[in-house]
Amino acid sequence: GAVVSQHPSWVICKSGTSVKIECRSLDFQATTMFWYRQFPKQSLMLMATSNEGSKATYEQGVEKDKFLINHASLTLSTLTVTSAHPEDSSFYICSASGLAGGPADTQYFGPGTRLTVL
Amino acid sequence: RKEVEQDPGPFNVPEGATVAFNCTYSNSASQSFFWYRQDCRKEPKLLMSVYSSGNEDGRFTAQLNRASQYISLLIRDSKLSDSATYLCVVQSGSARQLTFGSGTQLTVLP
Repeated sequence: GAVVSQHPSWVICKSGTSVKIECRSLDFQATTMFWYRQFPKQSLMLMATSNEGSKATYEQGVEKDKFLINHASLTLSTLTVTSAHPEDSSFYICSASGLAGGPADTQYFGPGTRLTVL
Repeated sequence: RKEVEQDPGPFNVPEGATVAFNCTYSNSASQSFFWYRQDCRKEPKLLMSVYSSGNEDGRFTAQLNRASQYISLLIRDSKLSDSATYLCVVQSGSARQLTFGSGTQLTVLP
């Protein structure tokens, strides 16, 4: 149980295009989803926290107009990187917490999406 | 000062060796503590939670010292499959957010 999927697993796009990444909790209801970014040889950095049906809370330095987060249901959150540039190339990982059978604040991680912007 | 600090390593040890990782955190109000492992180009996976009383899971022992805000992980009889990056993680705040250390890279050599 407590499986989180991400789609796509990798994407290559041209500079200036927008990319949507989906994060799904497959077997539980995720009241909260988190989006992280990891650059090579660095650790995960939290970008934003989203609760179902409400606006996401962004960490300092993360542009909310560039990284659009939608958490429309208890099993799906999306991150859209708008007008992507090469410096946005990174490993994007989501996590979900909620009614998964374990402690309510346990985060279950998706497998990540590797974005390369040319 | 980083919220969670770890020695980045790398640690290169022979099979069967005992290796210890250390971590310090700055937020004294942090609530929960974990060690995760991350393999190359993969998502982090929970290795174990860390408690003040200390906890052991097979070859892995974790310890928390709240007074000195220090967390440790001991791996005994290391295996080739233990090669990974070990992330010290602290949970805090009303949203129970996770803050990751930069990770310590371990390579177990045959």
